[in-house]
Amino acid sequence: DADVTQTPRNRITKTGKRIMLECSQTKGHDRMYWYRQDPGLGLRLIYYSFDVKDINKGEISDGYSVSRQAQAKFSLSLESAIPNQTALYFCATSDPGFNEQFFGPGTRLTVL
Amino acid sequence: GDSVTQMEGPVTLSEEAFLTINCTYTATGYPSLFWYVQYPGEGLQLLLKATKADDKGSNKGFEATYRKETTSFHLEKGSVQVSDSAVYFCALSDRSGGGADGLTFGKGTHLIIQP
Repeated sequence: DADVTQTPRNRITKTGKRIMLECSQTKGHDRMYWYRQDPGLGLRLIYYSFDVKDINKGEISDGYSVSRQAQAKFSLSLESAIPNQTALYFCATSDPGFNEQFFGPGTRLTVL
Repeated sequence: GDSVTQMEGPVTLSEEAFLTINCTYTATGYPSLFWYVQYPGEGLQLLLKATKADDKGSNKGFEATYRKETTSFHLEKGSVQVSDSAVYFCALSDRSGGGADGLTFGKGTHLIIQP
C-alpha cells in the first residue's frame, strides 16, 4: 500500500464551488505539506504543518485553507474555486531530520 | 529569497547518450540539495540528495555534486535509457536560512530518451 495517499485523484468542478482535497499518510511523520504544480512553474508550497496544532502559510496560500485533523491526515480546501486554481496538487510528508520528502500521487483539479 | 534555476526542456537524447541537466541555486543559508523525478502520471520520487558542500549524491546511475563555489548541483548520467524519460526537478531546503519550511523547486526539465 502507498505511504501517502490522496483523494480524489481527479476532480472537475465549477467556479464558486467549495472543494476539499484529502491526504493521508502511514509513515508516522509529523510534518505534512501541500504543493501546487503548474506547467513550466515547478511546485510551489501552499501550506505546511509541523503537527496537529501548528499550521503555516507557504508561498501561495491565498484562496486556500487547510485542516490537520490528525497526525496522519491533512486536508486542503478551496472555499470558492476559481479557474486559475486549475492545477496538479501534491501532498507530502517529511521525516524529523528532513532528509527527504515523500509525495503522494497527486490530485488533478480542473475548475471550469 | 531562495530560488532554483534549471535548464528548460524538453531535452531529447538518444539511448546510451550522456546526460547533463544543469541546476544552480540561490540561498541565504546552507541548503540541502535534491533531485526529484516524476514519471508520467505519478508523484515525485527522491532521486538523490546532498546535504553539504562537496557531497556527491548518487542513485540508479545518476550523480550530482554539491558545488558551493559555483552554487550548482548538476545532474549527470553516463548512459541513459528509454526508461529514464521523465520530468526532473532540482530542489533545495534552506531551513538554516530562516525561511519557510518545505522545498524550493526549479521549474522542471522534461527528458525524452529515444530508442
